[in-house]
Amino acid sequence: AQKVTQAQTEISVVEKEDVTLDCVYETRDTTYYLFWYKQPPSGELVFLIRRNSFDEQNEISGRYSWNFQKSTSSFNFTITASQVVDSAVYFCALSFNAGNMLTFGGGTRLMVKP
Amino acid sequence: SQTIHQWPATLVQPVGSPLSLECTVEGTSNPNLYWYRQAAGRGLQLLFYSVGIGQISSEVPQNLSASRPQDRQFILSSKKLLLSDSGFYLCAWSLGISSGNTIYFGEGSWLTVV
Repeated sequence: AQKVTQAQTEISVVEKEDVTLDCVYETRDTTYYLFWYKQPPSGELVFLIRRNSFDEQNEISGRYSWNFQKSTSSFNFTITASQVVDSAVYFCALSFNAGNMLTFGGGTRLMVKP
Repeated sequence: SQTIHQWPATLVQPVGSPLSLECTVEGTSNPNLYWYRQAAGRGLQLLFYSVGIGQISSEVPQNLSASRPQDRQFILSSKKLLLSDSGFYLCAWSLGISSGNTIYFGEGSWLTVV
């Protein structure tokens, strides 16, 4: 069975702080894909990143960075110098080899205070 | 570029009334289409997916049904709404059924059953 766990249900930081959102997954497949989505208050899910199981390179995109570690089945997301506009619910998700359906974690609500 | 649009954005319906949410995708052919639901304070749950016209797979038995009358149109329906159908419904699309294809979401529809 596939499972994604985001243990942090809610995080509150002050603007300009760095924050890391944790994601731990479970799968028996050797080929799988991991995703992060952002859900701002408007509700739409915005795609942030996709990573396949064979690519453990960390990725940086502006203030965003992702750390993928197969040894610990984790795919953590760090926002550097957080801004108020980063306030949203962030979802980690897993897509496995049997088809293109996403299994989502429960989400982490990030609140960035000015 | 591809776009996805769903409507209505907000809906308040009495218990026992019918439901129709519509979703269309532009800028691509033969997309995979999905309906997800997000209940209040909870994660996202896949309801239906479709790999082609008239082909619908249901992930969770429920009071809802889906149809795909045209290649880029996906409709979520109910004959009689229940209170438990309240939630945020998201339509989504991806290219093909291969695992790992990024799934892109629409703006979402807020349904309140009263």
